[in-house]
Amino acid sequence: QVQLQESGPGLVKPSETLSLTCTVSGYSISSGYYWGWIRQPPGKGLEWIGSIYHSGSTYYNPSLKSRVTISVDTSKNQFSLKLSSVTAADTAIYYCARLTGDLTAFDYWGQGTLVTVSS
Amino acid sequence: DIVMTQSPDSLAVSLGERATINCKSSQSVFYSSDNKNYLAWYQQKPGQPPRLLIYWASTRESGVPDRFSGSGSGTDFTLTISSLQAEDVAVYYCQQYYITPLYSFGQGTKLEIK
Repeated sequence: QVQLQESGPGLVKPSETLSLTCTVSGYSISSGYYWGWIRQPPGKGLEWIGSIYHSGSTYYNPSLKSRVTISVDTSKNQFSLKLSSVTAADTAIYYCARLTGDLTAFDYWGQGTLVTVSS
Repeated sequence: DIVMTQSPDSLAVSLGERATINCKSSQSVFYSSDNKNYLAWYQQKPGQPPRLLIYWASTRESGVPDRFSGSGSGTDFTLTISSLQAEDVAVYYCQQYYITPLYSFGQGTKLEIK
């Protein structure tokens, strides 16, 4: 059974960089699939942030591209998100998820982690 | 960008009755080359991550009850719950993957019991 778990600081100051890690169990990232980050502001809808392949190929939401970096560490079976120059608008629950083999939908999700941007 | 718009924003249905949620895309998500609609539906219960229900507009994910069905083509899609159960209370989202890997979601429809 594939499981994903997000980890990282729950509070980030404005203008700083948000950093989260997703640890995958039950499947080796290096075996394939794309992996992604999605966020959800409190009480609002879902926004795709970006996706990464085990080789390191990345795709980002154009609206966030200038501030986002997603990386993968296959030795630790993890992938990570960095979002720079954060503001209160970046306060959200951040989910990591796996894309289906044909890059269509997200079939496995972490439980999500709330990140609040505040001084 | 493809904008996904759902209607209604919220919906209250009696137990055992049919619930219908609509999703409209700003451009067609149908690929004639493979005759498929590039659309998925998710269910999100309070405090939980989204759960994939349906992909290719009408294919149920493994383990999803058959009271859930998806239909539509091109720009207009529908998620139907044939007989609402208490455990179906949730927010439902549609998502396009026509422009892969630039995914976009609808704003969500909140389904409650009347």
